[in-house]
Amino acid sequence: DIQMTQSPSSLSASVGDRVTITCQASQDINTFLNWFQQKPGTAPKLLIYGASNLQTGVPSRFSGSGSGTDFTFTISSLQPEDIATYYCQQYESHLTFGGGTKVEI
Amino acid sequence: QVHLVESGGGLVKPGGSLRLSCTASGFVFSDYYMNWLRQVPGKGLEWLSYSSDSGSYTRYADSVKDRFAISRDNAKNSIFLQMNSLRAEDTGIYYCARGTTYNWNDLNYWGQGTLVTVSS
Repeated sequence: DIQMTQSPSSLSASVGDRVTITCQASQDINTFLNWFQQKPGTAPKLLIYGASNLQTGVPSRFSGSGSGTDFTFTISSLQPEDIATYYCQQYESHLTFGGGTKVEI
Repeated sequence: QVHLVESGGGLVKPGGSLRLSCTASGFVFSDYYMNWLRQVPGKGLEWLSYSSDSGSYTRYADSVKDRFAISRDNAKNSIFLQMNSLRAEDTGIYYCARGTTYNWNDLNYWGQGTLVTVSS
C-alpha cells in the first residue's frame, strides 16, 4: 500500500497567518490527491481534489499544489472557522490517508 | 445538494452483530461507487469497503474481510454494512462516503457518521 506521511501533526498559528501542511507519498501518485477538512464532531469535507483543484464553494484562501510524491496544502490567511484537522488522501492506488494535521489558533 | 445520512450504530457486545445503513439524496445514487470508512476517536481514518454502482463488485480491507458485508439497494438509494463477529477494536465512528461514477476511491462527499461501540 502507498503510505502517506503528513506533517506537522499539529500546529498553532494566529488569525491571518499563512499555514502550510505537507504530505509525502511513498511512491509516485501523480496528482491523485485530495485534501479534507474535519471539524470536531463532523464528517470530513473535501476542499481540494486532484492536488490543486478547489472544490466548489470552498473559500479561495485554501489551495493545494504538488505532484508525484510531494504535496502542499496552504491556508493563505488563517480564519477562526478554519480550526480543524486536515487530512490528505491518495487515490492513485487503493486509498490511504495521511495521519492528519490539527490546526489550532 | 448531496446528502448522506448513516444510521444503525449503537452499543453491541463482542461477538455480536450490527447493520449500518446510509441513505443518499441529491444525486443519481445508482450511478456512483459507495464506500464505508471508520474513524477511531482521536485517531485517523480507515477505509473498510466499497461497492460498485450496481453492487456486483465489492472489496474489503483485510481488517474486516470475512466479517463485514457491504450491499446496496439502488431502488431505496441506500447502502448497508452488515458487521458480524464484532471486536472491541471495531469501535469507532462509521461513515459512508461517495466515490465518483468511475473511481471508487476518489471520495468527495461523506455522511455525518454513526457511532459503533463494541463493549461488554
